[in-house]
Amino acid sequence: EDQVTQSPEALRLQEGESSSLNCSYTVSGLRGLFWYRQDPGKGPEFLFTLYSAGEEKEKERLKATLTKKESFLHITAPKPEDSATYLCAVQATSGSRLTFGEGTQLTVNP
Amino acid sequence: NAGVTQTPKFQVLKTGQSMTLQCAQDMNHNSMYWYRQDPGMGLRLIYYSASEGTTDKGEVPNGYNVSRLNKREFSLRLESAAPSQTSVYFCASSRLLGQVQETQYFGPGTRLLVL
Repeated sequence: EDQVTQSPEALRLQEGESSSLNCSYTVSGLRGLFWYRQDPGKGPEFLFTLYSAGEEKEKERLKATLTKKESFLHITAPKPEDSATYLCAVQATSGSRLTFGEGTQLTVNP
Repeated sequence: NAGVTQTPKFQVLKTGQSMTLQCAQDMNHNSMYWYRQDPGMGLRLIYYSASEGTTDKGEVPNGYNVSRLNKREFSLRLESAAPSQTSVYFCASSRLLGQVQETQYFGPGTRLLVL
């Protein structure tokens, strides 16, 4: 059974204080790992897809990296508008379903 | 291009009442999904439709039925609502490229309270 564990559950940062969110996964064969951002009262918004170990993708202050067991979402010099819940999901090669983690709730204080 | 739209945004039901949640996408995607999101449980797949004319059960299908009306629309029906179905429901869609499902894009959600 595919499993995704995200840590920490919640993270508070000061504006400009860089940090990383972790997504550990077990899957029979990884087709893709997805990062989403979710604002309160809204649907998840797609950020990145990573397909193979060593791959990295960047978007503004966010950089996602992937190893064979985990993915990191690095946030550099965050701003208050980066406050949201960040969700990680994996898709196995054997099927089309996504398995989601419970998310990390990020708060960036000004 | 509205992406994925859902109606209604909010709904309050009494136990035993029925309702249908509507979802439509304008991205010409083959596949559509229904999830529920509960505190501490993450997003869980209820049903999905890999392509028009097909539907399959997900992780938590009990108490729900779905209809893939056409390529654009995928509805979720609660025949007899129960308090355990109080949740936020999200519809998503993705493109099917060969045998591979691409990125899923989500709608804004329907917040359902069953009393």
